[in-house]
Amino acid sequence: EAQVTQNPRYLITVTGKKLTVTCSQNMNHEYMSWYRQDPGLGLRQIYYSMNVEVTDKGDVPEGYKVSRKEKRNFPLILESPSPNQTSLYFCASSFRGWADTQYFGPGTRLTVL
Amino acid sequence: GENVEQHPSTLSVQEGDSAVIKCTYSDSASNYFPWYKQELGKRPQLIIDIRSNVGEKKDQRIAVTLNKTAKHFSLHITETQPEDSAVYFCATFSSNTGKLIFGQGTTLQVKP
Repeated sequence: EAQVTQNPRYLITVTGKKLTVTCSQNMNHEYMSWYRQDPGLGLRQIYYSMNVEVTDKGDVPEGYKVSRKEKRNFPLILESPSPNQTSLYFCASSFRGWADTQYFGPGTRLTVL
Repeated sequence: GENVEQHPSTLSVQEGDSAVIKCTYSDSASNYFPWYKQELGKRPQLIIDIRSNVGEKKDQRIAVTLNKTAKHFSLHITETQPEDSAVYFCATFSSNTGKLIFGQGTTLQVKP
């Protein structure tokens, strides 16, 4: 089954404790991105990748890192999480880029205390 | 910079009525306009999209209209059903910036 997966689905952590949210897709998509969803603000892009080893900042990249060592995986790293990073995070992938269907993962609910 | 405004933020309709959600954008180079539906606790999923060379597109009970001159596009849902209850996001892609920008979302409630 074609899909995008994320882990963990739920995470409660404390300020400053490094964490990684994994994202994987099995559709051989080149384009992948991370979004955060906050009430009243919609979906905002954090980072994106157009291919292996090619990543760039989105609209809200501060406090986040990413890597793309393999085509299927695009982990999101929070090296020193802060309470303002409490949010719902979605990974997405697409075949032809941003003017194409975005396939979202199931989401990760992160709480930073 | 580029901006997408979505209205209303919440919308409540009776089952069987129509619902309309509108988005306005500022970047004249925008040429792709998708709509995503997010059911409670689920991921956003594409329900319909339109490109700038088309003024209207329909898929059963949903339709999207685009007015490039006024820089707005709308989602129309006819004969609404309780399963249409969800958050709907519009988005625009600009060929100038290469970015996909989402609106703030509209929570639609369809009352039986």
